[in-house]
Amino acid sequence: QVQLVQSGAEVKKPGASVKVSCKASGYTFTSYDINWVRQATGQGLEWMGWMNPNSGNTGYAQKFQGRVTMTRNTSISTAYMELSSLRSEDTAVYYCARACYGCYGMDVWGQGTTVTVSS
Amino acid sequence: SYELTQPPSVSVSPGQTARITCSGDALPKKYAYWYQQKSGQAPVLVIYEDSKRPSGIPERFSGSSSGTMATLTISGAQVEDEADYYCYSTDSSGNRPFGGGTKLTVL
Repeated sequence: QVQLVQSGAEVKKPGASVKVSCKASGYTFTSYDINWVRQATGQGLEWMGWMNPNSGNTGYAQKFQGRVTMTRNTSISTAYMELSSLRSEDTAVYYCARACYGCYGMDVWGQGTTVTVSS
Repeated sequence: SYELTQPPSVSVSPGQTARITCSGDALPKKYAYWYQQKSGQAPVLVIYEDSKRPSGIPERFSGSSSGTMATLTISGAQVEDEADYYCYSTDSSGNRPFGGGTKLTVL
């Protein structure tokens, strides 16, 4: 079945970077964009950006420009999201999500990765 | 930056119709998407491109859009529909915000 499996929870110190992985299976990885969305505890969903796994093209939310990098390894059908210069406000659950074919919506979601930023 | 506005909460009794609105300046030209998120779970797409329903989503979920407002309608809401609902869209600059979310209570 179609699924996205994310890497495990991370604990980082302020100023560090974190890299979260998202492994796709059950479909052609290069045919669907991957989005990243985060959610702080008790808060709403926040879109971070998208990546086209075929071309590697990306688009980032203005808030994260300069701090986020989305990449992929097509040989292992895995997408990555790296966030740098972490601060406490970056503590959240990070989701990868596949864009539905030909549209902006996200129809398949990973299970989420908890990133905790604490000194 | 582009913003989508939702009511913080909506409450209905079981069997009633729940309507959740989402307003945004770009909605006349851009599609709205709706997600359901239950506590501790990843979001689930329930409506895409204003009014289309993914396979597996019950028929009681429907969507519409007119002018600067999109609406998610749950006809005959059930207790299991209690969740947070988020609208999502884009604008001409490539921004893709979520609405602030609406907590639906069915009791």
